[in-house]
Amino acid sequence: NAGVTQTPKFQVLKTGQSMTLQCAQDMNHEYMSWYRQDPGMGLRLIHYSVGAGITDQGEVPNGYNVSRSTTEDFPLRLLSAAPSQTSVYFCASARPGDEQYFGPGTRLTVT
Amino acid sequence: AQKITQTQPGMFVQEKEAVTLDCTYDTSDQSYGLFWYKQPSSGEMIFLIYQGSYDEQNATEGRYSLNFQKARKSANLVISASQLGDSAMYFCAMRAYSSNTGKLIFGQGTTLQVKP
Repeated sequence: NAGVTQTPKFQVLKTGQSMTLQCAQDMNHEYMSWYRQDPGMGLRLIHYSVGAGITDQGEVPNGYNVSRSTTEDFPLRLLSAAPSQTSVYFCASARPGDEQYFGPGTRLTVT
Repeated sequence: AQKITQTQPGMFVQEKEAVTLDCTYDTSDQSYGLFWYKQPSSGEMIFLIYQGSYDEQNATEGRYSLNFQKARKSANLVISASQLGDSAMYFCAMRAYSSNTGKLIFGQGTTLQVKP
């Protein structure tokens, strides 16, 4: 199993550009989540999904969209990048009741 | 609202000694789980240990143990016989099972440095 994979690993965007962070898991996990990690603030939940076709907002959803058309994939879209979205982004997946498995992260810089 | 508090931004420990990383939580849910993750300088998130709110015994995983005090709402991580490779950021996290969403709420983290 590859586990949870994320692409790209690094990305630099200009303010106003859009892009999609990819996340895939091959463990048939129902739950998938996106977090952002900023210095001194731990990880904060952006969006999450409890299954294909079902998504909901987390703690900091503004400026991001998600969709879950398949069990395996959970892309995160930045609609119009802002410097405040400079962060490290983690995707995670889990079975109900189990620990979350995290991807390696995407380091995003918005200039 | 759920909240995790880690009050120690940074900790030092001598190699081979034990260290306790503090975590307190706040939730109105009766059924919840507490997790600890390790994040080394390479950046990945590594699951260490889990404690369920109804578990009567404290969880242990090798050199890691969780000192769970439900009445005090604390879930401290104890690392025994510290090793240089334990130097990392440690996060406490909680999931409330009533919502059945898999969402984790994280604390701000504690940076642990192990001295040789």
